[in-house]
Amino acid sequence: GAVVSQHPSRVICKSGTSVKIECRSLDFQATTMFWYRQFPKQSLMLMATSNEGSKATYEQGVEKDKFLINHASLTLSTLTVTSAHPEDSSFYICSANPLGTSGRGPSYNEQFFGPGTRLTVL
Amino acid sequence: AQTVTQSQPEMSVQEAETVTLSCTYDTSESNYYLFWYKQPPSRQMILVIRQEAYKQQNATENRFSVNFQKAAKSFSLKISDSQLGDTAMYFCAFSVGNGAQKLVFGQGTRLTINP
Repeated sequence: GAVVSQHPSRVICKSGTSVKIECRSLDFQATTMFWYRQFPKQSLMLMATSNEGSKATYEQGVEKDKFLINHASLTLSTLTVTSAHPEDSSFYICSANPLGTSGRGPSYNEQFFGPGTRLTVL
Repeated sequence: AQTVTQSQPEMSVQEAETVTLSCTYDTSESNYYLFWYKQPPSRQMILVIRQEAYKQQNATENRFSVNFQKAAKSFSLKISDSQLGDTAMYFCAFSVGNGAQKLVFGQGTRLTINP
């Protein structure tokens, strides 16, 4: 159980276009999902916390108008990279924390990660 | 601010040996959780082991165990009888409080198990 999927797994786009990445919790509900960015040979950097039914919380230095996050349901969060440029090329990873219906209480704290999306902007 | 530091960028051991990965963290909070995640070449993040700060007993999961020294803010991972499949990036991570809390990651340690 506790599987998180991401789509697409890889995407190549031209500079100036927008790209949408989906993050789905397949067998549990998640009121909170997280979006991370990982450059080659580096650690994961939290970009934003996605909250179902409310606005996302962005980390300092992350442009909220460039990285649009929508968490419209308890199983889906989307990250849209608007007007993408080559410097946005990176590996984007989402994670979700199962609460309530999964049978695990709020103190469990475990996050389950998606397989990631490799974005290449030409 | 909470920080996590992994001082070993790379480590390499022979198969079947024991290896210990270091991690230190800094926080003023009393309720927190510590994790070790593994990221193999597939780049899928996999939880290896977790430790609740309020528990004094060190967590153990099969060949993986931790040495949690709360006063020293140290959280090392020991891998016993290392296997080729243990080759991966290992990240130490930290979260504060209960529920859906963000993770703060260390820089990572690239571990190579040699045959």
